Amino acid sequence: NAGVMQNPRHLVRRRGQEARLRCSPMKGHSHVYWYRQLPEEGLKFMVYLQKENIIDESGMPKERFSAEFPKEGPSILRIQQVVRGDSAAYFCASSLDGTGDNQPQHFGDGTRLSIL
Amino acid sequence: AQKITQTQPGMFVQEKEAVTLDCTYDTSDQSYGLFWYKQPSSGEMIFLIYQGSYDEQNATEGRYSLNFQKARKSANLVISASQLGDSAMYFCAMREGISSGSARQLTFGSGTQLTVLP
Repeated sequence: NAGVMQNPRHLVRRRGQEARLRCSPMKGHSHVYWYRQLPEEGLKFMVYLQKENIIDESGMPKERFSAEFPKEGPSILRIQQVVRGDSAAYFCASSLDGTGDNQPQHFGDGTRLSIL
Repeated sequence: AQKITQTQPGMFVQEKEAVTLDCTYDTSDQSYGLFWYKQPSSGEMIFLIYQGSYDEQNATEGRYSLNFQKARKSANLVISASQLGDSAMYFCAMREGISSGSARQLTFGSGTQLTVLP
């Protein structure tokens, strides 16, 4: 499968636990974006990364959330000490080039995070 | 202010008919891109069509076309010959240019739930 791969597809955590969401971009893509979708809403931008660099994290909550895209391996979105309000679908997208207006972002199938 | 506005929370269309999903946007940039995505009930996000702000012709991709009216800042999606499998949530999104200071993220509307009736 040459598409954006996210895992797990579903993740259940108890309040206070940590959630780790993984994203492998499409082959050849070096730009990764994370979005959050609350029920009945559109996607909201969280963070934009290139390999080993966070380019824009203006949409990320200041506490408990972090993201990385290491030189090797997938991008990780990490949520520490999860709370009920973190329950959402988290989507990763990748693009070939971050500078072209016409570059579509290709999305993974998302991770549905449920907090008990 | 909303950057992307989709005023139709839900739409119904008869199978084989055409339907237009509305999208208006707000930007001060001269260079931007407009995208439509489809999200079926299974949850994945599927890219449908793209329109650049400098494109003179309306974008088309198979049964999808984009009615781009730059002066009105609207980018409506037209689906021709609707099929049952078109039933899904449809999102309009915009990427603004470098001049706005934005990174390359997309800003999404709230979506339109399309139901195709047999």
